[in-house]
Amino acid sequence: QSALTQPASVSGSPGQSITISCTGTSSDVGSYDLVSWYQQHPGKAPKLMIFEVNKRPSGVSNRFSGSKSGNTASLTISGLQAEDEADYYCCSYGGSSTPVVFGGGTKLTVL
Amino acid sequence: QITLKESGPTLVKPTQTLTLTCTFSGFSLSTTEVGVGWIRQPPGKALEFLALIYWDDDKRYSPSLRSRLTITKDTSKNQVVLTMTNMDPVDTATYFCAHTLFSEDKFDPWGQGTLVTVSS
Repeated sequence: QSALTQPASVSGSPGQSITISCTGTSSDVGSYDLVSWYQQHPGKAPKLMIFEVNKRPSGVSNRFSGSKSGNTASLTISGLQAEDEADYYCCSYGGSSTPVVFGGGTKLTVL
Repeated sequence: QITLKESGPTLVKPTQTLTLTCTFSGFSLSTTEVGVGWIRQPPGKALEFLALIYWDDDKRYSPSLRSRLTITKDTSKNQVVLTMTNMDPVDTATYFCAHTLFSEDKFDPWGQGTLVTVSS
């Protein structure tokens, strides 16, 4: 099972909005509403930001939102803040034989 | 509050078997739908799923690493153990364990991770 495809990097200025895409296949992203997104700061463990495509865990800012269309999921961060600068990974259920598949990660730079 | 912590050797030699332990608190692996997963991250690279185990002893593995991995649980000790055979330098990575739920397919929270270096 190949990793999900994410852009290597995105950038935005404080206050702006950015969107990170995550492209899979009809066997994973396209078949299940089980896409999650993780934020990882350097040297730290990943933190869950979005699950089941568009649900936010308690404590996660409503500036973070998720969506999906076909085989592509997206994470949108609005009102960019310096603290949002981090790596972001998408993840999807891929069926019983491939229960978890991660994206290659996207480095977000806040200019 | 759920916490997890990984432990094991920091250095292993090529061809050796790696054994990592995830010790957790704040939940029980005897509770319906609860699971623990292992994920690794080579230095500067992306996350990679390894294995997970659920409350009912259902086990799932990465297809590409399945032949080298074994995941087990000790409910009484609140521990999950991952073994990986025939270690190679490319297996050098930070290894994380994380809490998951069968119905929600998410990893939350994660342990701090432990760096394992494979070198002779």
